Amino acid sequence: EPEVTQTPSHQVTQMGQEVILRCVPISNHLYFYWYRQILGQKVEFLVSFYNNEISEKSEIFDDQFSVERPDGSNFTLKIRSTKLEDSAMYFCASSEALRTGRTEAFFGQGTRLTVV
Amino acid sequence: SQQGEEDPQALSIQEGENATMNCSYKTSINNLQWYRQNSGRGLVHLILIRSNEREKHSGRLRVTLDTSKKSSSLLITASRAADTASYFCATFSGFQKLVFGTGTRLLVSP
Repeated sequence: EPEVTQTPSHQVTQMGQEVILRCVPISNHLYFYWYRQILGQKVEFLVSFYNNEISEKSEIFDDQFSVERPDGSNFTLKIRSTKLEDSAMYFCASSEALRTGRTEAFFGQGTRLTVV
Repeated sequence: SQQGEEDPQALSIQEGENATMNCSYKTSINNLQWYRQNSGRGLVHLILIRSNEREKHSGRLRVTLDTSKKSSSLLITASRAADTASYFCATFSGFQKLVFGTGTRLLVSP
């Protein structure tokens, strides 16, 4: 069964450093997402991406964050200068088309980011 | 806020019992989805119900949707210890965005 894969599974970084979280969505999917979940809290939307551009982003997704689909298969989330409060589990997801109600979002297993 | 709110926040039952979780939301929707999350793991899609549907079944899962009350429920029948997880409802907000509820932590004891 096709799946969304994320690497690394765990990343430890020093405050102020840049991190790149990587995701390989399911190959025929058109919509890509990043979500984050601070330990024990709810799953928060960060950004959605379609047709090589951001289609929607939340207030969390400020100038420190960026996304890219560099090569047609990978989908990356970059945090330019990490803060302690960026420590969370980051989930990538992909779907064919959520709005039409034809299908669901498939989530990766997540990258646990720890900022020290 | 356009988030879903689930209740109860936590539910503890014995194997074989049924578990019911409820979700309320605030905006009109195209569909509502339920996801499961094992501790520290990714979210797994369970079931999707469209706005023009009132009830849907999948194995031991039964979902209802009441758009007039902006609420949904997830029923897990004959629960098993392996059903222990957090369960989230998710709805649309905006163009292409799933918005997750706060989740219900289900503990099924053998």
